Amino acid sequence: AQSVTQLGSHVSVSEGALVLLRCNYSSSVPPYLFWYVQYPNQGLQLLLKYTTGATLVKGINGFEAEFKKSETSFHLTKPSAHMSDAAEYFCAVSATNAGKSTFGDGTTLTVKP
Amino acid sequence: DAGVIQSPRHEVTEMGQEVTLRCKPISGHDYLFWYRQTMMRGLELLIYFNNNVPIDDSGMPEDRFSAKMPNASFSTLKIQPSEPRDSAVYFCASSSRDRGPHEQYFGPGTRLTVT
Repeated sequence: AQSVTQLGSHVSVSEGALVLLRCNYSSSVPPYLFWYVQYPNQGLQLLLKYTTGATLVKGINGFEAEFKKSETSFHLTKPSAHMSDAAEYFCAVSATNAGKSTFGDGTTLTVKP
Repeated sequence: DAGVIQSPRHEVTEMGQEVTLRCKPISGHDYLFWYRQTMMRGLELLIYFNNNVPIDDSGMPEDRFSAKMPNASFSTLKIQPSEPRDSAVYFCASSSRDRGPHEQYFGPGTRLTVT
């Protein structure tokens, strides 16, 4: 079974500041890990994913995440926030032998001018 | 590739009426998912299909909800009779084990309002 915990349902940063959204997972088998972003009135879209190999993965819009097996974490970061980054972000985990993903509760990112 | 297509985008109906939501997955994808999103409960997986066969419907709230996938390019989610508490945004998503392990492509959603 898999589970995801996103720490902090709301995160607020100033424009230009570091963005850090936290995600911890639980999985009984090697996981696939994902971050999705949802802009207002839209569906979720994939931001980045970890499957195998390099533990630091880069995604769209300057975001990146690092898979840390020892910490069971997959935190999302961006060095400098833009106003356009304001959205809801979902972390998800999938077992390598399963079709579905388990999503976290989401973190709403607010960017202040 | 056209993305996942959902119709209608908005649906307003009265309590007790039947509602049918439609989804066309991305061509070639073999998984299809139905989700419901509300402020109170967040994103919930209702049911998912693999190769048109329902695999897990444990998230379907009750017998008023049913989903079908008659072929690889079409799925429906039906609510009969509808109730105000069914008001939510319903998303369809599809994925392919061959094209990317379990990453899902979401449609734009159907916003359902039951009065």
